[in-house]
Amino acid sequence: DAKTTQPPSMDCAEGRAANLPCNHSTISGNEYVYWYRQIHSQGPQYIIHGLKNNETNEMASLIITEDRKSSTLILPHATLRDTAVYYCIVRVEVSGYSTLTFGKGTMLLVSP
Amino acid sequence: EPEVTQTPSHQVTQMGQEVILRCVPISNHLYFYWYRQILGQKVEFLVSFYNNEISEKSEIFDDQFSVERPDGSNFTLKIRSTKLEDSAMYFCASRSGTGNTGELFFGEGSRLTVL
Repeated sequence: DAKTTQPPSMDCAEGRAANLPCNHSTISGNEYVYWYRQIHSQGPQYIIHGLKNNETNEMASLIITEDRKSSTLILPHATLRDTAVYYCIVRVEVSGYSTLTFGKGTMLLVSP
Repeated sequence: EPEVTQTPSHQVTQMGQEVILRCVPISNHLYFYWYRQILGQKVEFLVSFYNNEISEKSEIFDDQFSVERPDGSNFTLKIRSTKLEDSAMYFCASRSGTGNTGELFFGEGSRLTVL
């Protein structure tokens, strides 16, 4: 089973920041936090990942608490196209075939 | 931007028939995956493939399923004797294998409908 807990749904107004929380209280020291999203039954799309430090890329920012037991994905200026299911996944990082285990995720609805 | 392509986008088949779903991973990627998603349910891992052999498989991936990479570019999923419960979206994914990034690139999926 997925080792993360996410709220089933969230709403966000277009143009505002969307802050998606994830609880991973049993995360191990060698496990990374990954975020993917799935827009209406399309293939999942990678967003960002991190281990300890906060990360930022062109899509989002990832804030990981100091104890690593939770994290927040931030979409700084949500658009209607960001409406999707967002998955928080913890995953051991090895130079191999370590798989992703998807949970139910958070359905983010961005409204005008 | 390179992408994973899957064919067909939608296939309808009769129960008991064999189905082959095809995927062209991103060039130079080394790790290949199949996932499936039954309507309204979670994305589920089926199998991973590396160096021309299965590296990991889930309980779902039983003898009914097989994968191969016949020509160095295509990566196929064969489902023998399809059942109604095999109806799902099947997603192929690939990963480069360089560095330690776990970013998987997914295709748009093949929708399988078993009647």
